[in-house]
Amino acid sequence: GAGVSQSPSNKVTEKGKDVELRCDPISGHTALYWYRQSLGQGLEFLIYFQGNSAPDKSGLPSDRFSAERTGGSVSTLTIQRTQQEDSAVYLCASSLNGMSTDTQYFGPGTRLTVL
Amino acid sequence: AQSVTQLDSQVPVFEEAPVELRCNYSSSVSVYLFWYVQYPNQGLQLLLKYLSGSTLVKGINGFEAEFNKSQTSFHLRKPSVHISDTAEYFCAVTVNDAGNMLTFGGGTRLMVKP
Repeated sequence: GAGVSQSPSNKVTEKGKDVELRCDPISGHTALYWYRQSLGQGLEFLIYFQGNSAPDKSGLPSDRFSAERTGGSVSTLTIQRTQQEDSAVYLCASSLNGMSTDTQYFGPGTRLTVL
Repeated sequence: AQSVTQLDSQVPVFEEAPVELRCNYSSSVSVYLFWYVQYPNQGLQLLLKYLSGSTLVKGINGFEAEFNKSQTSFHLRKPSVHISDTAEYFCAVTVNDAGNMLTFGGGTRLMVKP
């Protein structure tokens, strides 16, 4: 079946602009995760959704970052007033039930470049 | 809080040689352990995971890993590597009582040479 998809695959933006990154999880997966992969920080957890609610937002680096999930499916990560340090690959993952033992399936990522 | 250390940032190896990628973790509670592989310009793919039971876990593409609780390690091994195994490998943990996000190590780049 279809895996996790993300769009766009690449995004170049100017400092100060807002960007939206989209994630389509595997159908039927109730849990959805956002991670960020950058050269300096490695792979970092950002936020986790169970259904449409986000019980854990602890990884969001600043209040410029927000995310929502609608219909228990698609999620959007929004970065407002982008800064150069936001440049990274943003990875989305989904899992069946959101349990610690579940396998998380990753999308190909969105590469964000802030000029 | 938990943490994961991958001791080698890069591992060069010749084709058909054996390889071991090292992973150590730190946690005050029980963890579940994962190895993911990332091929260039792709997302992460699960190689194998340890949840409980036998400490030797076999995964895809001929990889296996052994959980050692006393040494808090979960090293990844393959007896004979191929050029196609060239990729970045990430060790990760989740804990049962503090959410289920993955905490990753810094990654090990495996470079298989002909």
